[in-house]
Amino acid sequence: RKEVEQDPGPFNVPEGATVAFNCTYSNSASQSFFWYRQDCRKEPKLLMSVYSSGNEDGRFTAQLNRASQYISLLIRDSKLSDSATYLCVVNIGSSASKIIFGSGTRLSIRP
Amino acid sequence: GAVVSQHPSWVICKSGTSVKIECRSLDFQATTMFWYRQFPKQSLMLMATSNEGSKATYEQGVEKDKFLINHASLTLSTLTVTSAHPEDSSFYICSASHRGIYGYTFGSGTRLTVV
Repeated sequence: RKEVEQDPGPFNVPEGATVAFNCTYSNSASQSFFWYRQDCRKEPKLLMSVYSSGNEDGRFTAQLNRASQYISLLIRDSKLSDSATYLCVVNIGSSASKIIFGSGTRLSIRP
Repeated sequence: GAVVSQHPSWVICKSGTSVKIECRSLDFQATTMFWYRQFPKQSLMLMATSNEGSKATYEQGVEKDKFLINHASLTLSTLTVTSAHPEDSSFYICSASHRGIYGYTFGSGTRLTVV
């Protein structure tokens, strides 16, 4: 089993739709969790951290379920500019020693 | 905000030559930097963890003699691809943590093409 798993997609949804991604992790001792966005041929950029209590940033909501070992990302009212690959990132170390990327979920928003 | 500068952004080299990639943290000190490789349509794969003043920790399957990492200061880590071959052609990205375990900033990446 991979340490971090994501549905690769692609997800192709119309503009304005709500879309959700899940990511599962295998190490129950994982410390911190993030969603990154990567545009084609560019470096990943931090979208948001994921907290146990869940957190929201505008149209984006991230949640963590430690019992089931998954995190989720919800995008509401999707925009064309949301088209990208979304990477789930998990820090499985006790310090900033080892971070693992999921394989990414490709999202394509159509007009 | 924290900025990580990586260069060159792209390089084309002949098979058998060596290529050095630099990663600098511009406005913060990074005791740990990470080096990743990404092949087309695949995710980032951690190659090694670079620790300032000590040897890098390599992931399983990554040849430490081929991918030389030096982290001589708190703001600079270098990755040297020695005796590059066409199969080493890839997108190499570094990252550093500037707030402990909270968030990582990436360099802009280096696209290496070995011909």
